[in-house]
Amino acid sequence: GQNIDQPTEMTATEGAIVQINCTYQTSGFNGLFWYQQHAGEAPTFLSYNVLDGLEEKGRFSSFLSRSKGYSYLLLKELQMKDSASYLCAVDNQAGTALIFGKGTTLSVSS
Amino acid sequence: DTEVTQTPKHLVMGMTNKKSLKCEQHMGHRAMYWYKQKAKKPPELMFVYSYEKLSINESVPSRFSPECPNSSLLNLHLHALQPEDSALYLCASSPSDSYEQYFGPGTRLTVT
Repeated sequence: GQNIDQPTEMTATEGAIVQINCTYQTSGFNGLFWYQQHAGEAPTFLSYNVLDGLEEKGRFSSFLSRSKGYSYLLLKELQMKDSASYLCAVDNQAGTALIFGKGTTLSVSS
Repeated sequence: DTEVTQTPKHLVMGMTNKKSLKCEQHMGHRAMYWYKQKAKKPPELMFVYSYEKLSINESVPSRFSPECPNSSLLNLHLHALQPEDSALYLCASSPSDSYEQYFGPGTRLTVT
């Protein structure tokens, strides 16, 4: 079966650092994506990890451990505009589609 | 042009109506997707077109009918929908050498 787990909700304050975890069990694995989705809007691409390790892109970093079936998205210097849903998605080699996790709703307060 | 466009942005239709959703991209992407997203849920894959051919149909009811007239356009024809079909319908595209998907803004559909 295909299973992707993320926490449902997280809260944090402005300026803080937050880590959103994602664990996956899929029949195949080509890579893992993180998307950000604001309420009522389309998902936007944040990162793509294929190899183990940390990919840094400005305030956002994403980490992957293929052997552990684990990834995290790290958000630094949080801003109010970072309040959104963060979706972990796996390319499981089944074709050209992605399998999405249920998403983590992050609320940033002042 | 680095975006996916969708029309209309909002659609209200009755259960006996026939309507179509449209999606367009001019990035040369050869894979295009339809997703359905209910509130506070992740996107659910409906259809995938690869090189203008339907490659994945996730057991979607026949009241949803996709069409890919050319490599830039993707339509979703709707007929005899149910109120539970009300959702945000997202179109996405990806290049042939990458699975990074670019999403359109979506069409918010309400079935009355």
